[in-house]
Amino acid sequence: ELKVEQNPLFLSMQEGKNYTIYCNYSTTSDRLYWYRQDPGKSLESLFVLLSNGAVKQEGRLMASLDTKARLSTLHITAAVHDLSATYFCAVGYTNTGNQFYFGTGTSLTVIP
Amino acid sequence: GAGVSQSPRYKVAKRGQDVALRCDPISGHVSLFWYQQALGQGPEFLTYFQNEAQLDKSGLPSDRFFAERPEGSVSTLKIQRTQQEDSAVYLCASSTGTGGPGELFFGEGSRLTVL
Repeated sequence: ELKVEQNPLFLSMQEGKNYTIYCNYSTTSDRLYWYRQDPGKSLESLFVLLSNGAVKQEGRLMASLDTKARLSTLHITAAVHDLSATYFCAVGYTNTGNQFYFGTGTSLTVIP
Repeated sequence: GAGVSQSPRYKVAKRGQDVALRCDPISGHVSLFWYQQALGQGPEFLTYFQNEAQLDKSGLPSDRFFAERPEGSVSTLKIQRTQQEDSAVYLCASSTGTGGPGELFFGEGSRLTVL
């Protein structure tokens, strides 16, 4: 069974601190996506990672992909309150009908 | 349009009623997906269209769920004889590519509450 697991599920951190969210998946894929969702809103695409070793950065967020370990990380540097949201990773597959499988999400709260 | 548009944004239905949820994808996007997101959970795949062809409907939870995209653009997700467990946000997403899972662009969702 294909699984996408994120940890932690809930994260409360102080402004200015650093932290990493982990995304593990059970079946090999070379396409990994990170999305942000604010309460009551839809999903906003953050990063698309398409190869082993891919690293992308946008502002205080940096995402990486290790396809051999089936692991992606989303690193938060010097968190600010505006980063409070739920973050989802999603793994893409073409051999199962072009599906995306989402993790359970990490709810991040940044405390001033 | 500029983004994926879904309607209605909110729908309250009595148990047993039929509902129809509409998705208008980004113009020119070939691929269209429907996802179901229960409260506090990640989106779960329902079905996928490439143009008007429904290539994968393996995620539809029962035969009460039906989706169509007759002209390869607007799509409708229909739920017959709604049950309380159908209460969720239904997200539509579109994508440009056909050769693999490219980036998805999501609409704001239709929140269905079944009483």
